[in-house]
Amino acid sequence: EVQLVQSATEVKKPGESLRISCKGSQNSFTGYWFAWVRQMPGKGLEWMGVIYPGDSDTRYSPSFQGQVTISADKSISTAYLQWGSLKASDTAMYYCARQRTYGSGSPTNYYFYGMDVWGQGTTVTVSS
Amino acid sequence: QSALTQPASVSGSPGQTITISCTGTSRDVGGYNYVSWYQQHPGKAPKLMIYDVSNRPSGVSNRFSGSKSGDTASLTISGLQAEDEADYYCSSYTSSSTVLFGGGTKLTVL
Repeated sequence: EVQLVQSATEVKKPGESLRISCKGSQNSFTGYWFAWVRQMPGKGLEWMGVIYPGDSDTRYSPSFQGQVTISADKSISTAYLQWGSLKASDTAMYYCARQRTYGSGSPTNYYFYGMDVWGQGTTVTVSS
Repeated sequence: QSALTQPASVSGSPGQTITISCTGTSRDVGGYNYVSWYQQHPGKAPKLMIYDVSNRPSGVSNRFSGSKSGDTASLTISGLQAEDEADYYCSSYTSSSTVLFGGGTKLTVL
């Protein structure tokens, strides 16, 4: 069964740094893109960005560019979402998901068409 | 980027058919056939229900269907069941090579 397992709940103070993780089973990781999605309390889903662990090609939503860093370590089938200095407004549930992708053209243009496997979510609470 | 526009809520009785709309622009919904729909029950991760406007992943009931006309995509649920009560989100690929979600629609089964 394809699975993404996320790291545990985090409680941090404003200004602290944080990295949360998303580990995939081997057959669910190789050759795929992985996205991060934010859901603030009582609110909707927001796509933050996506990474291809094979070569670390990364794309960010304009809303999150410069606010977070997405990275991956393909040797351990793990993607990461990182903050350098947390704010109270970063309090949310964060999901990772396998982002299905079409590629075409040269250079390749990638079209992101659906997220078919989701992690269980990581709750991040930032409070003084 | 503004979120795609969905109605905040829809409702229907068991057995009925409901439709949820998702309106974007020519830079997202209208420009690509890469619209997806997700179901999210309270406290759970989202689940992919429709991709590429109208395709169902394996295991998703054929009571769920999708379509698109111009800048508006739609999710239709027929034979409404109590278990369909959930939040539904649309998403679309955009001309900026990103993905944009709708604001979400709460479906109530009366």
